[in-house]
Amino acid sequence: GENVEQHPSTLSVQEGDSAVIKCTYSDSASNYFPWYKQELGKRPQLIIDIRSNVGEKKDQRIAVTLNKTAKHFSLHITETQPEDSAVYFCAASIGGQNFVFGPGTRLSVLP
Amino acid sequence: SQTIHQWPATLVQPVGSPLSLECTVEGTSNPNLYWYRQAAGRGLQLLFYSVGIGQISSEVPQNLSASRPQDRQFILSSKKLLLSDSGFYLCAWSVSQGANEQYFGPGTRLTVT
Repeated sequence: GENVEQHPSTLSVQEGDSAVIKCTYSDSASNYFPWYKQELGKRPQLIIDIRSNVGEKKDQRIAVTLNKTAKHFSLHITETQPEDSAVYFCAASIGGQNFVFGPGTRLSVLP
Repeated sequence: SQTIHQWPATLVQPVGSPLSLECTVEGTSNPNLYWYRQAAGRGLQLLFYSVGIGQISSEVPQNLSASRPQDRQFILSSKKLLLSDSGFYLCAWSVSQGANEQYFGPGTRLTVT
């Protein structure tokens, strides 16, 4: 079955700097890759996603890139702000049915 | 617009007691439905998913079970809780066709004592 790895497990950046989180997946049939942000004690919130027919997607300060050949995808956050501090999860899915999540990255943005 | 509800929000249960968590979705038809468990400080573990009434797929062996008695209702149950069942239980839904976004409910925080 699908296996998703995520690195780093923790990340600290200075406010205004960029943050990059990387995920790898094992099943080449996966075709949908969402990213979620989870604040303490709350539900995960979808922040951006990418489908296998696209190489890059951007939404304001957040971007995601996908390399299907290498089976990895990355989340890029630019001009980080303290409210970006949270745990971020990547996931991979085949046809939107069985979602496999990475173990999460705890991002701390230091003022 | 679509809304997903879960209850109860918090629950404290003794070891060996039964469990029933309920999830309902409004504003959509024939959604895919999912149950996840999140242990403290950990990632999301998919427990069950359903593509239709009465259709349940289990991802991990455990003492939990799931049922989907109605199109937009998903229930997580246990006959006898274990200490290891403690965690944050999240229900989620997605549109049934294709690779579509998955949205989470507010969750139930379960503590087994």
